[in-house]
Amino acid sequence: AQKVTQAQTEISVVEKEDVTLDCVYETRDTTYYLFWYKQPPSGELVFLIRRNSFDEQNEISGRYSWNFQKSTSSFNFTITASQVVDSAVYFCALSESSNDYKLSFGAGTTVTVRA
Amino acid sequence: DGGITQSPKYLFRKEGQNVTLSCEQNLNHDAMYWYRQDPGQGLRLIYYSQIVNDFQKGDIAEGYSVSREKKESFPLTVTSAQKNPTAFYLCASSIMQPREAFFGQGTRLTVV
Repeated sequence: AQKVTQAQTEISVVEKEDVTLDCVYETRDTTYYLFWYKQPPSGELVFLIRRNSFDEQNEISGRYSWNFQKSTSSFNFTITASQVVDSAVYFCALSESSNDYKLSFGAGTTVTVRA
Repeated sequence: DGGITQSPKYLFRKEGQNVTLSCEQNLNHDAMYWYRQDPGQGLRLIYYSQIVNDFQKGDIAEGYSVSREKKESFPLTVTSAQKNPTAFYLCASSIMQPREAFFGQGTRLTVV
């Protein structure tokens, strides 16, 4: 069963628009971690954020913000005022204590920002 | 600079041949991982290692083999038993779970 679902396959926006990427996860663990990674065309995955299950505080880092809601098992990611350099594939991932903390990735969302 | 180095970047293999992908890290990380990426399927774990001389199968280990003789190195061999080896392979390392993993730039393997 898919543990991490990223329902949006592709999103295309015009520069300066906001983009929200959805991530829904499934776990029975009380201790788990959630991650977001960015994969630019070069191919290397770049770590963006890690959040543990006991910390539901939302976070803002520059133009990036994350909304973690345990009640709906979601960990959504918003890019504010998007730029062409934000064009990439974005992955949400889950790490569970019952799974040896291995990362389970969603299928990814391809974001294209047009100038 | 500290990081993870994968080589080569592109690799072509004839059917029936084994091929080894290199992964080296100088981050002093204990854990290392190999993932396979196919279009639209995200990343799937092939093998991982949490300590030297020990490794475990991931979700899609069939047709692959690894070794972990040194902390810095975790090579992946794609054997002829792997039915559909054409893919993008990513190596990663982390200080320890559940900390974030850092990735190399990947190797794109094509079977010709």
